[in-house]
Formats: sequence, C-alpha cells, structure tokens
Amino acid sequence: AQSVTQLDSQVPVFEEAPVELRCNYSSSVSVYLFWYVQYPNQGLQLLLKYLSGSTLVKGINGFEAEFNKSQTSFHLRKPSVHISDTAEYFCAVSDQGGSEKLVFGKGTKLTVNP
Amino acid sequence: DGGITQSPKYLFRKEGQNVTLSCEQNLNHDAMYWYRQDPGQGLRLIYYSQIVNDFQKGDIAEGYSVSREKKESFPLTVTSAQKNPTAFYLCASSGTGPVYEQYFGPGTRLTVT
Repeated sequence: AQSVTQLDSQVPVFEEAPVELRCNYSSSVSVYLFWYVQYPNQGLQLLLKYLSGSTLVKGINGFEAEFNKSQTSFHLRKPSVHISDTAEYFCAVSDQGGSEKLVFGKGTKLTVNP
Repeated sequence: DGGITQSPKYLFRKEGQNVTLSCEQNLNHDAMYWYRQDPGQGLRLIYYSQIVNDFQKGDIAEGYSVSREKKESFPLTVTSAQKNPTAFYLCASSGTGPVYEQYFGPGTRLTVT
C-alpha cells in the first residue's frame, strides 16, 4: 500500500519569494505522482503530474516539481509566488499496477503575504 | 462545458436523518469516487466505482452507501449510522488507464446538527 507524507502543514511566505512544498511517498511498486491545488470551499484542480520520463515536471501557474526516486520525493516549487497562490496543496500517489485509487497527503496550506 | 457537478453546495440536516449528495459528470468517465475532507486530514476515500452497477468500499465506508445505476451519476447517501457526518464531500471521476488522473467537482459542505 502507498502512503504520502507532506512534511509541512502550513507554509507562510512573502509575495515574490520562492517556495518549496515537500512531499515524500512510500510504495513497494512504481508510482504516478500528482500535485493538486484547492482554493477555499472549492474542489481540487490538477497542478501537474509525473508519469514517466523527465524527472522535472512543469505544471500550470508557474509551478514545477521534481521526482526523486532514490529519496522517494516529489517536491513542488515555484520561483516567485503571488498572493493568488494562497491555497491548500495536496500531493497524491497511485500505483502503476492498475489501481485507479489515489492516496492523498494531508495537505500543505500555503499563505502568501504582501 | 464538460465537468462534474455536485449539488447542493451547502446542506443542513438534523441528526438521525439520512441525506443524499448528488454527483453528475458529463466527461464520459468510467470511474467515479467519493471523498471526505476534514481540516488537517486530507482526502479520505469513501467509495469508488469503476463501472456501472459495481462499486467498492474505500477506507472509511462505514455509515455511507452509494449506487451507480448510470455512468453519469454516483450519488452518496450519508446514513444516520455515520457518527460524525459533518464534513466537506468531494466527488471525482477519471477515465480508463493507464493513467488515472482524477477530476473533481466543487464539493458539498454537509452540516448535521
């Protein structure tokens, strides 16, 4: 079974600063990895996904993530954040063996301050 | 526009009453899911269905029931047996393999008093 750990429950940053949201996963099989964003009282929107190939994945809104198999990590980064990036971010994993289920981390609340 | 609709956005019920949450998708997806979200808990899978007339329990199915009579619809009933039903409920759907990217609805916030 897979599990996902998001190491920080809350991350406050100032506008235009860089940010990294950390995600580690545990799995005995190869995985697909996802980052979703949730704005208050809304559903989740896919930011980016790692399926295979290049370990650096670019997503929407200027976000990118790097898959590190040896460290079982999939950290999300943005070089310069905006006030509008304030939201909760979820890392998720699914196994490549055919299961359609996603396992989510508990989320990281990113707050961008002026 | 293709997407997932959940209704209503906010729902209030008295303790001891069953309540059904609606989820409809027009993405022609085979698989549908129900999640429960509580503050600081992330998303927890309640039920999922990979095909019409078939569904499986997720991690926290107790006190919930579902049906999948049509490909487009996957209603969730929160029964009086669910001990702590107040939460934000999210419905999602995904196509068939090999990558199961899930698309989410806007959610229903259920408050039971």
